[in-house]
Amino acid sequence: DVKVTQSSRYLVKRTGEKVFLECVQDMDHENMFWYRQDPGLGLRLIYFSYDVKMKEKGDIPEGYSVSREKKERFSLILESASTNQTSMYLCASSQFGAISGNTIYFGEGSWLTVV
Amino acid sequence: GEDVEQSLFLSVREGDSSVINCTYTDSSSTYLYWYKQEPGAGLQLLTYIFSNMDMKQDQRLTVLLNKKDKHLSLRIADTQTGDSAIYFCAEIRFSGGYNKLIFGAGTRLAVHP
Repeated sequence: DVKVTQSSRYLVKRTGEKVFLECVQDMDHENMFWYRQDPGLGLRLIYFSYDVKMKEKGDIPEGYSVSREKKERFSLILESASTNQTSMYLCASSQFGAISGNTIYFGEGSWLTVV
Repeated sequence: GEDVEQSLFLSVREGDSSVINCTYTDSSSTYLYWYKQEPGAGLQLLTYIFSNMDMKQDQRLTVLLNKKDKHLSLRIADTQTGDSAIYFCAEIRFSGGYNKLIFGAGTRLAVHP
């Protein structure tokens, strides 16, 4: 089975702190994604990566950056956390090629609270 | 509009049928999807339909697609308490040079005795 693992399930951080959310996938997938999930807004794409060291902005990249130094690992970075970044963050991965929803796999999510 | 739209809540009695509706925006979407999210978990693909189909049935699940109205629905027959979850519809949209999976806001299904 494909596994997408988000190492931190629950985090509480202070305003202004630097936050790292880590995601690892074990299926040698080329594409990796970070989404943010908020009630009433669904999932919104923050950043995605289609190869090592490559990244593309999604729909809401402001306040975030990403790092993809190894194929299996995609990190989301909040340089200076703010309270409006309190949310659930979902990582996903898929095989290379035209993205189709039946080949995308999600992690279990990281709940981040910024106080 | 630009959004994939769903109603936010649905409450049904155990054993009844549930119908979750969705309107999407991109008439060129080749696939449309339903995902399920159980409490505290990530998203799991529940089912999908190819755009040249009107209906797809998979055990208790029936997906109906009306391309003219850009309307997608998910029917769950004999709804059980284990079906309580958030259900997301999603479409593939080509934007900024890439295919992206665009989600609706999610419909929270509550099943009561």
